Amino acid sequence: SAVISQKPSRDICQRGTSLTIQCQVDSQVTMMFWYRQQPGQSLTLIATANQGSEATYESGFVIDKFPISRPNLTFSTLTVSNMSPEDSSIYLCSAEGGQETSFNEQFFGPGTRLTVL
Amino acid sequence: GNSVTQMEGPVTLSEEAFLTINCTYTATGYPSLFWYVQYPGEGLQLLLKATKADDKGSNKGFEATYRKETTSFHLEKGSVQVSDSAVYFCALLTDSWGKLQFGAGTQVVVTP
Repeated sequence: SAVISQKPSRDICQRGTSLTIQCQVDSQVTMMFWYRQQPGQSLTLIATANQGSEATYESGFVIDKFPISRPNLTFSTLTVSNMSPEDSSIYLCSAEGGQETSFNEQFFGPGTRLTVL
Repeated sequence: GNSVTQMEGPVTLSEEAFLTINCTYTATGYPSLFWYVQYPGEGLQLLLKATKADDKGSNKGFEATYRKETTSFHLEKGSVQVSDSAVYFCALLTDSWGKLQFGAGTQVVVTP
């Protein structure tokens, strides 16, 4: 299985600031995704991070608020912009489709726990 | 649209008890089905999966069978341990490479 790391693991931020979360996979993967898990709730897909092109966002999520980069097949970043307390969540990165992953299996990073004051 | 419905938690059990977590789904086509587990303070781990009807996924003593006729994928374990305390998520995937649709999650608490 692929090993996925995220940085930072947690952060406390002030309202109106931005935070960039990094996701690193230990092998090349075809697909990378970003999810949000609000307190006590399930996971919601924010977007698919596409290598070499703009991310594909799900309904309710926009690029201005959650810009995403994917410069290569092992790395992606998610920025949470102009934060408000409602953005307090765990943000998780996942990956699928590499030599170290099986078809149809997504592997997840440990998550970044964000608190906005 | 696609959706996943799980039984609400928390589910509290004594060690060595039998665990069942119900999961039903609505989807077009023939989805793949998954159970993920999230231990306290950690990210999600894939527990098991089934990609077609009547497939049985199993791992770490957990089992789930893909029942197309009842659109269900219930998770079972015959004898739980305290270390099984976690939140369990049922999920489905309809695209070949695509987004997972998660259920709300079920918290399981196993007491000694």
